[in-house]
Amino acid sequence: DAGVIQSPRHEVTEMGQEVTLRCKPISGHDYLFWYRQTMMRGLELLIYFNNNVPIDDSGMPEDRFSAKMPNASFSTLKIQPSEPRDSAVYFCASSPQRGSYNEQFFGPGTRLTVL
Amino acid sequence: SQQGEEDPQALSIQEGENATMNCSYKTSINNLQWYRQNSGRGLVHLILIRSNEREKHSGRLRVTLDTSKKSSSLLITASRAADTASYFCATADNTDKLIFGTGTRLQVFP
Repeated sequence: DAGVIQSPRHEVTEMGQEVTLRCKPISGHDYLFWYRQTMMRGLELLIYFNNNVPIDDSGMPEDRFSAKMPNASFSTLKIQPSEPRDSAVYFCASSPQRGSYNEQFFGPGTRLTVL
Repeated sequence: SQQGEEDPQALSIQEGENATMNCSYKTSINNLQWYRQNSGRGLVHLILIRSNEREKHSGRLRVTLDTSKKSSSLLITASRAADTASYFCATADNTDKLIFGTGTRLQVFP
């Protein structure tokens, strides 16, 4: 099992540009979570999906952020336009069943730097 | 928003010593989980303890949970240099979400 796969691993972009982060969850997992980690705010849940349907996006900071899960094996997190304060490490995680009743499996993260 | 607060924020010990990290939380929980994060990596699940459990063991890990005090502790016995990492507690209520704490940075010197 390859685990949760995220791409790219590193992204450097300029303010105002569109950024798309990608995630492939573990096959068979019904839940997918997007987190953001910064020194100031720690690990924050942005949005999560159950069976490809967005369930809770209350953690998405602004309308500039959007997430999709077109099928069970792929999800994207898009930031448009990007701002320097979006610089962070973005993690995708998946879980086989109820996300909080079971362990979550994290990807290696995407380190985003917005100049 | 963060539910759990870990204490201490940072801990440095020698190999072979025990490391204890504490987590306090604010609301009722269904379970509490501990995760490890090595530098530049994603989080890795260590152990889950349910609200009706008081203690759980896994290898060199021992976790306790006191729901009356809304606190948990993680004990790593006979620490190794490879245990150097950040450790996070995460609380779960009856939703699908985990709320992560602020983390403890553990440094184990050989």
